[in-house]
This record gives sequence, structure tokens and C-alpha cells, in this order.
Amino acid sequence: GDSVTQMEGPVTLSEEAFLTINCTYTATGYPSLFWYVQYPGEGLQLLLKATKADDKGSNKGFEATYRKETTSFHLEKGSVQVSDSAVYFCALSDPVDSGYALNFGKGTSLLVTP
Amino acid sequence: DAGITQSPRHKVTETGTPVTLRCHQTENHRYMYWYRQDPGHGLRLIHYSYGVKDTDKGEVSDGYSVSRSKTEDFLLTLESATSSQTSVYFCAIREDGGNTEAFFGQGTRLTVV
Repeated sequence: GDSVTQMEGPVTLSEEAFLTINCTYTATGYPSLFWYVQYPGEGLQLLLKATKADDKGSNKGFEATYRKETTSFHLEKGSVQVSDSAVYFCALSDPVDSGYALNFGKGTSLLVTP
Repeated sequence: DAGITQSPRHKVTETGTPVTLRCHQTENHRYMYWYRQDPGHGLRLIHYSYGVKDTDKGEVSDGYSVSRSKTEDFLLTLESATSSQTSVYFCAIREDGGNTEAFFGQGTRLTVV
């Protein structure tokens, strides 16, 4: 079945550093891809999404490009802030293979220090 | 914010007792999901629903059952709680099953002692 693999954390960066969180997926269909963020004590919220190959999702300075050839959807930000400290989840939705499920990776914890 | 409410927010229960968690939405979204979140495992899908009385299993459905008799409510039942079911449970809703955003509740922290 479909699956998502993302880099293990925790990731610790200094403020204004460049961020990359890797995400790769396995799917037999043409999934939509998502990044969600979870702040401490809260539920998840959508950060960005891409629905077809070569699409770039972007929000709040974060970007991710849907790369079908490498089955990847890496999250990047040019200059992180302390307020970006959170857990980040990569997810996919593939109606062809997985029905209506939304499958998540294990999450990557990010800590940004001043 | 999407109208999605989980209840209770916290619960402590004893091994072997039944427990029901409730997810209520005011968005009239068709799809509803129950996940559990555990350290080192991320979010794992327990069950989901794609309409009233239409449900399907996720990857960790053993020991759990669900019901959806109304569009707005999706109940998760642990028939006989075990310590391995201690977790944080999240409900999510989506308008459709393709590329739309999922909205999450605040979570229910369940402890089985």
C-alpha cells in the first residue's frame, strides 16, 4: 500500500538557518501530497499541499515541490524562526490505491534556537 | 477555524472497561477520520468514514470500532481498553477524499491504567 517516509528528527537549527526536511513516498496512483504542522498541545494544521507532479506548494515561507521522478516532496525554508519550532508531518492521499485514507509519515520535530 | 470538537479532552480509564470518544463537526464534511499519535509512530489511521454508516479500517483498527449514524458525529469505541491503547487520539474531517485539506480536532489524551 501507499506509504510516506520522512527524515528522523529531532532537527535543531539556529534562527535564520536553512531548513530541509526530506519526505519520500510510495504510491501506485497519482497522490496528492501535503505537509502538516503540529504546535505543542495542538492538533495538526495544513501547511501546504501539491496535487500533481511539478506543483510547488508554498505558505509562510515554506515550500515543497512534488517530484514524481524521485517520488519526493521535501520541505524547505530559507530562514527559520523560533516560532517555527514544531513537529512537521508529510502526508499523502491516493484515492486510486488507498481509497479515502490520508496517510502520514512519522513526523519530524524541529527546534529552532535563538 | 473548522468546527470540529472532540470529547472528552482527557480521560483516565481502567483496563478492561469500554470507552467511547466522540468527534463532532459542524462543517457537513463527508469524510471523518480517527488517528492515534504515539512517540516514534507519528499518526496512524484507526478507522475512517466516507458517509453515514460507511466506514473502513485503517492500519491499526484491531481493538477499535466506530459508528457514524449522523453526518456530524463519528464515535470511536474501545470495547475493552488495554494499556497499549494509551495514546492521544485525533479526529479529522475532509470535504472530499482527494486533494482537499483535512481539519483536525484538538485531540483526546487517553490513559489506560
